[in-house]
Amino acid sequence: DVKVTQSSRYLVKRTGEKVFLECVQDMDHENMFWYRQDPGLGLRLIYFSYDVKMKEKGDIPEGYSVSREKKERFSLILESASTNQTSMYLCASRTGATGTRNQPQHFGDGTRLSIL
Amino acid sequence: KQEVTQIPAALSVPEGENLVLNCSFTDSAIYNLQWFRQDPGKGLTSLLLIQSSQREQTSGRLNASLDKSSGRSTLYIAASQPGDSATYLCAVLYNNNDMRFGAGTRLTVKP
Repeated sequence: DVKVTQSSRYLVKRTGEKVFLECVQDMDHENMFWYRQDPGLGLRLIYFSYDVKMKEKGDIPEGYSVSREKKERFSLILESASTNQTSMYLCASRTGATGTRNQPQHFGDGTRLSIL
Repeated sequence: KQEVTQIPAALSVPEGENLVLNCSFTDSAIYNLQWFRQDPGKGLTSLLLIQSSQREQTSGRLNASLDKSSGRSTLYIAASQPGDSATYLCAVLYNNNDMRFGAGTRLTVKP
């Protein structure tokens, strides 16, 4: 079974802090994603990566950056946390190998981040 | 614009009932459609994936159908149980590799 592990289930930080959210997958997936989920707004894509050191902006990248130095790890960085970044953050991974697009996307358990 | 809509937003049924959850999408150029379950405060768990060339997929008491031409998918849950209570989301992977999620249907199965 694919396992996507997010480093923290709950995190409380202060406004202006630099925040790191870590995600690791164990299935050698090429594609990794960061979403945030807010009531009434559903899942929104922040950033994704289709290979090591590659990154693409999603729908709401402002205030965030990402890092993918190793294939299994995808980090989301809040450069200077603000209260409007309080949310549930979900990491996901999916294979990107040729001919395998009909494989499911797998999610971690989420990190509930509160910015005070 | 590629949009995915789920109606109703919430559904409450007594235990034992068969039920149908609906998902509609605006662009028929889809690669596949995936149904997920989300328990409160948790991530998404993949339930079923239907490829664009398929009409339905089954897993246990769950059956998902896909009608690409009308832009609809349904998730049928047979003999519902309290343990089925969760939010169910559908997600469409489009041919341009963009994945769009519905807002979900929150299901409550009452004992």
